[in-house]
Amino acid sequence: DIVMTQSPDSLAVSLGERASINCKSSQSLLFSPTNRNYLTWYQQRPGQPPKLLIYWASTREFGVSDRFSGSGSGTEFTLTINNLQAEDVAIYYCQQSYVTPLTFGGGTRVDIK
Amino acid sequence: EVQVVESGGGLVHPGGSLRLSCSTSGFTFSKFWMHWIRQTPGKGLMWISGIDDDGESRKYADSVKGRFTISRDNVDSTVSLEMINLRVDDTGLFYCVAMFCDETACAHHWGQGTLVAVSS
Repeated sequence: DIVMTQSPDSLAVSLGERASINCKSSQSLLFSPTNRNYLTWYQQRPGQPPKLLIYWASTREFGVSDRFSGSGSGTEFTLTINNLQAEDVAIYYCQQSYVTPLTFGGGTRVDIK
Repeated sequence: EVQVVESGGGLVHPGGSLRLSCSTSGFTFSKFWMHWIRQTPGKGLMWISGIDDDGESRKYADSVKGRFTISRDNVDSTVSLEMINLRVDDTGLFYCVAMFCDETACAHHWGQGTLVAVSS
């Protein structure tokens, strides 16, 4: 199984500042025939199911704020939240869809400092 | 409006059985892979099972192989998870999740989840 490792476990950022979350996979998520990385980022607010933010490592889901961006390739990926807002308080998960079993990172809790 | 609604969760003793159901609407169900994903406070998110768009391919996590069976009905736009010989560590909130990607975009639709508690 592909192991997904997120860091940090939690972080607190001041309003308006930037938050960065890292995700490493135990094997490459780059599928050569499509040149796409099968890495997804989710946001989960309390009491809610995960919400799709970014897929293919860097493609923002329709309607997601452009303050959210994804980068990386192969085995190392980053979710960046610019100009942090109060509504961004949540747990963020990365997930690989390169192969089943689909696997998730352990999550990163983002709070306001 | 997209709707994904799970049902069938509950409290069951170890060794017992449950059947989870997921009813969907508002999207082209027959194009989507359907998955069950479990969430627990201690172990986070864990993929349990998935079935492809026409039901020909079914995948399971190793921990549930031989005990869980996923099925779908593309006429009714529903997916089910039959669970037998349940164990304490099967406890969690089970989400039904629809996933689709083509050459240009992906779409994911999550339900609110149904709670399964396995306890003596």
